[in-house]
Amino acid sequence: GESVGLHLPTLSVQEGDNSIINCAYSNSASDYFIWYKQESGKGPQFIIDIRSNMDKRQGQRVTVLLNKTVKHLSLQIAATQPGDSAVYFCAENSEGNNRLAFGKGNQVVVIP
Amino acid sequence: EPEVTQTPSHQVTQMGQEVILRCVPISNHLYFYWYRQILGQKVEFLVSFYNNEISEKSEIFDDQFSVERPDGSNFTLKIRSTKLEDSAMYFCASRPQVRPYEQYFGPGTRLTVT
Repeated sequence: GESVGLHLPTLSVQEGDNSIINCAYSNSASDYFIWYKQESGKGPQFIIDIRSNMDKRQGQRVTVLLNKTVKHLSLQIAATQPGDSAVYFCAENSEGNNRLAFGKGNQVVVIP
Repeated sequence: EPEVTQTPSHQVTQMGQEVILRCVPISNHLYFYWYRQILGQKVEFLVSFYNNEISEKSEIFDDQFSVERPDGSNFTLKIRSTKLEDSAMYFCASRPQVRPYEQYFGPGTRLTVT
């Protein structure tokens, strides 16, 4: 697979502002698209999912948008807080399939 | 809140040695997984385990790898003859019957092969 290397795309955002994290996915046959958050020294943590037949889903302070035409997924975080500082990964899953296929990470740094 | 635990947090081993990474999944979960993350790269699926057998494995999970659920609580990953390129964070995950995309990850074991 493609090597990402040590340098992650980084989004620096002021505390209280909104954040938008983007992901391009590859498998148009995936049934679910998911966002995971990975804080330093921890494993990935589920944030929110969206089924492939939807284009928007809202959670608590987060919104996921799915554009199947251009195979693009985004995560919007409202009123970003210092605890939101982490690496965010998009992932795909297909029904009948156990695995999560993770995409490249995006580092979010919240400036107090 | 129940969580997945992993031991050790850091394992250093010499090339060619065998290592066993241990995990205790969440108690009522039925599906168990191992993933790995090479430093700075994305998380990669290794294997899934259900009903005491491997349900799916990736091309990374070759003959040097094996998994076992030796008792009702532990889930282990064995790497038989470690190579330098096995150095990575290894994450265990588990999930209940539904929502295969919502997996609960442990904190990881950092494996360093020298």
